[in-house]
Amino acid sequence: GAGVSQSPRYKVAKRGQDVALRCDPISGHVSLFWYQQALGQGPEFLTYFQNEAQLDKSGLPSDRFFAERPEGSVSTLKIQRTQQEDSAVYLCASTPTGGGEQYFGPGTRLTVT
Amino acid sequence: AQSVSQHNHHVILSEAASLELGCNYSYGGTVNLFWYVQYPGQHLQLLLKYFSGDPLVKGIKGFEAEFIKSKFSFNLRKPSVQWSDTAEYFCAGGLYNQGGKLIFGQGTELSVKP
Repeated sequence: GAGVSQSPRYKVAKRGQDVALRCDPISGHVSLFWYQQALGQGPEFLTYFQNEAQLDKSGLPSDRFFAERPEGSVSTLKIQRTQQEDSAVYLCASTPTGGGEQYFGPGTRLTVT
Repeated sequence: AQSVSQHNHHVILSEAASLELGCNYSYGGTVNLFWYVQYPGQHLQLLLKYFSGDPLVKGIKGFEAEFIKSKFSFNLRKPSVQWSDTAEYFCAGGLYNQGGKLIFGQGTELSVKP
């Protein structure tokens, strides 16, 4: 079956622009996670949804970062007024229930110039 | 604070050599442990996982890992590596009571020479 998909795969933004990154989880998966992976580092947790409820957003680095999952399936991570330090790969993962194996998408590589 | 650390940043081996990648975790509660692999140009894939029970877990492609609670370790092993094992390996821990969010180590890049 289809895995987790993310779009766009690559995004170049000028500093100050807003961006929106999309994640399509595996159908029926209840939990959805966003991670940020800087070059040469492991992924770092940003936020987590169970269905449409955002249960943990402790990893969002600033109030410029906002995530939503309004119907409990597709999720969007929005970054307002992008800064150079936002350049990273943004990973989405889903899982049938909390606590189990997470299935990762290919990521969106964001470059802020 | 919750953390996962991987000892080796870059490991270079010849084919048929044995592999052991170190991983230590620091958690205050029940922890699930994972090893993920990222082959060049591909997304993160699960190699193996430990939730409970037998501390020696076997994964795909001949990999195994041993959970040693007294040492807070979950090292990854393979008796004989192949060129196709060239990839980046990430150890991760998840707290079930925090929705399963994962804390990753910084990763180990493995290069296998043919």
